[in-house]
Amino acid sequence: GESVGLHLPTLSVQEGDNSIINCAYSNSASDYFIWYKQESGKGPQFIIDIRSNMDKRQGQRVTVLLNKTVKHLSLQIAATQPGDSAVYFCAENRYTGNTGKLIFGQGTTLQVKP
Amino acid sequence: GAGVSQSPRYKVTKRGQDVALRCDPISGHVSLYWYRQALGQGPEFLTYFNYEAQQDKSGLPNDRFSAERPEGSISTLTIQRTEQRDSAMYRCASSLEVDTEAFFGQGTRLTVV
Repeated sequence: GESVGLHLPTLSVQEGDNSIINCAYSNSASDYFIWYKQESGKGPQFIIDIRSNMDKRQGQRVTVLLNKTVKHLSLQIAATQPGDSAVYFCAENRYTGNTGKLIFGQGTTLQVKP
Repeated sequence: GAGVSQSPRYKVTKRGQDVALRCDPISGHVSLYWYRQALGQGPEFLTYFNYEAQQDKSGLPNDRFSAERPEGSISTLTIQRTEQRDSAMYRCASSLEVDTEAFFGQGTRLTVV
């Protein structure tokens, strides 16, 4: 079946540590992936994206890694802060021609301990 | 506008009534998506518009659900004869093009009683 999923439902880290959130996808034809952060009561917020012609992309304190061989995606957050506490979703953008849709995984809850 | 705007923010309706949920995307965004999100779950795709054309409605649960975007901007998601199982957060998102990042609105919390 076609799905996008996350390995762990909850990740707890100490403030200042690095966080790694993982995601597995099953559609080998997918070539665009997005990480979203969702805080309580809010809509998903875009963090970073990556296309399949790249293995790594960096943003401010965040890095996304893509391993197409094993169909695995990860989000690394450096020096995790309390404000990073949220649910993180990976999403796979499946588009063909003019049609597109984002397929979301179940989400990983990141808890940052002070 | 500055972001994706959805209205109403909250809607309580009686079972059997029709409801219309509105989405005002970011100005100039070609692509518009509707999603449904249950508590503790990721957003579930409902339908996709490219300008005014509904190019993918594979996620609509049944024929009680419909959506339109007649002028390629504002979109309406309509649920006819609502049922309790329709209760959820309905989210709209827009993107400049189909393969660029999508921005989400705050959502409409629908409760069917």
